[in-house]
Amino acid sequence: QKEVEQNSGPLSVPEGAIASLNCTYSDRGSQSFFWYRQYSGKSPELIMSIYSNGDKEDGRFTAQLNKASQYVSLLIRDSQPSDSATYLCAVNAYYNTDKLIFGTGTRLQVFP
Amino acid sequence: SQTIHQWPATLVQPVGSPLSLECTVEGTSNPNLYWYRQAAGRGLQLLFYSVGIGQISSEVPQNLSASRPQDRQFILSSKKLLLSDSGFYLCAWTLRDNTGELFFGEGSRLTVL
Repeated sequence: QKEVEQNSGPLSVPEGAIASLNCTYSDRGSQSFFWYRQYSGKSPELIMSIYSNGDKEDGRFTAQLNKASQYVSLLIRDSQPSDSATYLCAVNAYYNTDKLIFGTGTRLQVFP
Repeated sequence: SQTIHQWPATLVQPVGSPLSLECTVEGTSNPNLYWYRQAAGRGLQLLFYSVGIGQISSEVPQNLSASRPQDRQFILSSKKLLLSDSGFYLCAWTLRDNTGELFFGEGSRLTVL
């Protein structure tokens, strides 16, 4: 079982819709969870971090964490074509909090 | 504010040649430093990380090595490149503030021919 799993996509949504990106992780001891956005050919950019169960909102982005289900998600409201990118989920390794384990990413396509 | 720089941005190297990628962080002290590799169509693979000068932890056995000669400098090296070393190499840093937030440099794209 992979430590951090994401659907590779592509996830295609129309402009203005809500994009929902999902991630599951295997280690119950993980405490820190992150979403990164990566445009093609560029380095990943941190867009959200979440540490407690529930929702955390930042502008059009909402991160949701459910530790009991080992599930973290990212919602993008009012999706724009500029949101088209690969979204990487990252989780700290429970055995070494200095390390982040990344999923392989979900490619999001927002079409006009 | 903190910034991270890595170079070169792009390089094409023949098989068997040496490699040196360099990364420096500005605006912070005593960061944790990381080297990741992203092969085409694949996820981010942690290669090395360092919690201090001269302290290197290797995650994946390979023909690469890393060094941290100064607090804010991290170097990735190889004596002889393999075709399989091609990829997008990313340097990253974190503050030791328990947030775990990782920030990446611009990346170095290596093609081994």
